[in-house]
Amino acid sequence: DVKVTQSSRYLVKRTGEKVFLECVQDMDHENMFWYRQDPGLGLRLIYFSYDVKMKEKGDIPEGYSVSREKKERFSLILESASTNQTSMYLCASRGPGTDTQYFGPGTRLTVL
Amino acid sequence: GESVGLHLPTLSVQEGDNSIINCAYSNSASDYFIWYKQESGKGPQFIIDIRSNMDKRQGQRVTVLLNKTVKHLSLQIAATQPGDSAVYFCAENGSGNTGKLIFGQGTTLQVKP
Repeated sequence: DVKVTQSSRYLVKRTGEKVFLECVQDMDHENMFWYRQDPGLGLRLIYFSYDVKMKEKGDIPEGYSVSREKKERFSLILESASTNQTSMYLCASRGPGTDTQYFGPGTRLTVL
Repeated sequence: GESVGLHLPTLSVQEGDNSIINCAYSNSASDYFIWYKQESGKGPQFIIDIRSNMDKRQGQRVTVLLNKTVKHLSLQIAATQPGDSAVYFCAENGSGNTGKLIFGQGTTLQVKP
């Protein structure tokens, strides 16, 4: 079974703080994705990565950056958190030769 | 632009009945479709997928039907149980072999005991 884990289930931060969200997958997948999920807006792609040290902007990259130093780990960084970044953040990974994405449990981030 | 949508935001069914959740997609170049189940406070969970060279695929208590003519996808759940209560959403892979998925908004399935 594919296992995707995220470092925190719930996180509360203050405006202006730097926030790190970590995602780890154990299936040696090359592709990893970060989404945010908001009521009425569905899943929106923030960033994705095809391989180590590679990153591509998704549909809503503003205010975020990512890091992929190791194949199994994909980090999402909020350089200066703002209240409009309060959301559910979901990480996913995808193996070679397949379109199936497997999701982690999500991190519910609240920015005060 | 590309979009994937669902016909109904909420579906309420009686326990034991069959459920049918529908999805319309817009990109005729999509050749892969997937259904996810998301329980409250959890990440989406893979249910079943289908490629465009198939019309139907069955899993355990679930069936996905694909009608490419009208760009319609449906998920059928047999003998719906309380544990099936969740948000269900479909996704398609769009065009260009990007590895990305395009997600629908989701349908909430409520199972009445």
